[in-house]
Amino acid sequence: SQTIHQWPATLVQPVGSPLSLECTVEGTSNPNLYWYRQAAGRGLQLLFYSVGIGQISSEVPQNLSASRPQDRQFILSSKKLLLSDSGFYLCAWSGGEGMALHFGNGTRLTVT
Amino acid sequence: GEDVEQSLFLSVREGDSSVINCTYTDSSSTYLYWYKQEPGAGLQLLTYIFSNMDMKQDQRLTVLLNKKDKHLSLRIADTQTGDSAIYFCAETPNSGGYQKVTFGTGTKLQVIP
Repeated sequence: SQTIHQWPATLVQPVGSPLSLECTVEGTSNPNLYWYRQAAGRGLQLLFYSVGIGQISSEVPQNLSASRPQDRQFILSSKKLLLSDSGFYLCAWSGGEGMALHFGNGTRLTVT
Repeated sequence: GEDVEQSLFLSVREGDSSVINCTYTDSSSTYLYWYKQEPGAGLQLLTYIFSNMDMKQDQRLTVLLNKKDKHLSLRIADTQTGDSAIYFCAETPNSGGYQKVTFGTGTKLQVIP
C-alpha cells in the first residue's frame, strides 16, 4: 500500500531564515505530487504541483519554491521566510482509485 | 473559477445521524470526494463518488449525489464522538494526470455526548 511521509511535524523559524520541508511517497511510482497551504484550519490553497522529476508548476506567486529531485521526493523551500509564510503545509500525492489526493500529516510552520 | 460551498458548522447528538451538505458549480465534475480532518492532522480521504453514480454506501457513510442540482451530501449513521472533525467536500473534472481539485471550506462537525 502507498504511504506518504512529511516532516517535520512542527517548525518555528525566525523571519529571514531558510526553510526546507520534505515529503516522500512509498508504494507507488511516478506519482503526481502537490504542496498545499491551509489557512486558519480551513481553506486549502494549492502552491505547487509536479507531474515528474524536475517538473514543477506554481499556482500562486510567492516567497516559496519547490523541487522534485527524485521520483517520490518533493521539497518545499524558501531562502528567506516572511511572517506571512506561517501556516499549515500539506503534501499530497494523487492516483489510484478515484484519482483522489492523499495527504501527509502536515507541517505547522510558525515564523516569528 | 469553480466553487464548492459548505455550511461552516453542524452539531449533532451522539447516536443520531449527521448530514453534511455541499454544493458545487463545476458541471464537468468527474469525481467528488469527502475528506475528514482531525485537529492538527492532514486530510483523510473518507470516500468518493464517480459522477455517473447517485449513491454510494460504505459502512456508516452514505454519499448522495444530485448532479442536476450539483448537490452532494454525506450522511454519517450512528454518529460517535470520534466523528468530531472538519469535513471537506471536493471535486475534480479530471479523470487522470494532474488533479485540479477544488475544495470547500469545510464543515466542522461537533458531536455532543
